[in-house]
Amino acid sequence: DTGVSQDPRHKITKRGQNVTFRCDPISEHNRLYWYRQTLGQGPEFLTYFQNEAQLEKSRLLSDRFSAERPKGSFSTLEIQRTEQGDSAMYLCASSTDTGELFFGEGSRLTVL
Amino acid sequence: QKEVEQDPGPLSVPEGAIVSLNCTYSNSAFQYFMWYRQYSRKGPELLMYTYSSGNKEDGRFTAQVDKSSKYISLFIRDSQPSDSATYLCAMMPGNQFYFGTGTSLTVIP
Repeated sequence: DTGVSQDPRHKITKRGQNVTFRCDPISEHNRLYWYRQTLGQGPEFLTYFQNEAQLEKSRLLSDRFSAERPKGSFSTLEIQRTEQGDSAMYLCASSTDTGELFFGEGSRLTVL
Repeated sequence: QKEVEQDPGPLSVPEGAIVSLNCTYSNSAFQYFMWYRQYSRKGPELLMYTYSSGNKEDGRFTAQVDKSSKYISLFIRDSQPSDSATYLCAMMPGNQFYFGTGTSLTVIP
């Protein structure tokens, strides 16, 4: 399968715990994006990497959120000290410079 | 004002109907336009991608872009129950993609 893969698909955690999501993009894609989606809403931009460089971060990405793409391949999104408001679907997507954006199946976070 | 406006629906049509989904946008810098289909608890799936005004057809789907009116549409012909999903429009000026809120579509057998 050469699509975007995300892990885990679903994470249930208690408030205050840290969680980490992993994304493996399509191998030839240099751009990698993280989005957050809540019920009934479209995806909201969180951050964007061009190769290993994090070029843009949304104001939605508080200090508790950090994303990395250390070798320009896979990426991780960590949320520290989770809050109930962090419950959402976290979507990873990748693209080439021409703009066709392909999403993974998402990692659903439930904070109790 | 949001960058991208999309009627959330819900939209309910009988099987075989023609469906029209629409988005408007405010930023004239948008140049790439996409439509995604999203099933419940799944990631969005790219349906159509276009960067010019006019129509683009792929099977039962037609994407239409009118840059002068800042208006894009997705038409689904001969709609099927399997088309029941949320449809998201998306567009980009450069690095960042902007999404509509999605239109929920139900096709009734």
